[in-house]
Amino acid sequence: QQQVKQSPQSLIVQKGGISIINCAYENTAFDYFPWYQQFPGKGPALLIAIRPDVSEKKEGRFTISFNKSAKQFSLHIMDSQPGDSATYFCAAEAGTALIFGKGTTLSVSS
Amino acid sequence: DAGVIQSPRHEVTEMGQEVTLRCKLISGHNSLFWYRQTMMRGLELLIYFNNNVPIDDSGMPEDRFSAKMPNASFSTLKIQPSEPRDSAVYFCASTKGSQGTEAFFGQGTRLTVV
Repeated sequence: QQQVKQSPQSLIVQKGGISIINCAYENTAFDYFPWYQQFPGKGPALLIAIRPDVSEKKEGRFTISFNKSAKQFSLHIMDSQPGDSATYFCAAEAGTALIFGKGTTLSVSS
Repeated sequence: DAGVIQSPRHEVTEMGQEVTLRCKLISGHNSLFWYRQTMMRGLELLIYFNNNVPIDDSGMPEDRFSAKMPNASFSTLKIQPSEPRDSAVYFCASTKGSQGTEAFFGQGTRLTVV
């Protein structure tokens, strides 16, 4: 079932730095690529999402870059803040259910 | 709206016992998903329903696991008998409409089987 591969498993970034998390997929039928953010003791919550007809989507400090030919997409967090410390999951969907990557634990040090 | 509500939040049970996890969907949502989260395997899809009908249960680990959706707003996930390797956080999530819509997750049930 592991059709979405996510890296790195963990990431430590200085406050104000850029956090980058990468994902790769295999199934070319996937047509919706969201990122979810999870804080300890909480369920994941949608952060930002993209469809394959665009190469980039930006919402505030969060940007998704999408490379359809390489079957890869990434999350960039600009000006990372301690409040961004959380687990981030990429996911993909092909009209059925979301398939998640294994997650990246981000720690932003102040 | 109260969001997706799961109960119990925590469950500790002995190996061999039956465990039932419960989930109440957001009103108006018609798709329901059960996921299991562990450090090793991340978020695994167990089963999902659309309009109360199970669509894909290929992620259910084995026959000890079963899920039902008796009405449009409620679902249960049952493990019988439970085993220590079932220890994990179980999430349900719901969506409104078809593909490419936001999934709203409950706060999860942390299951510990001793």
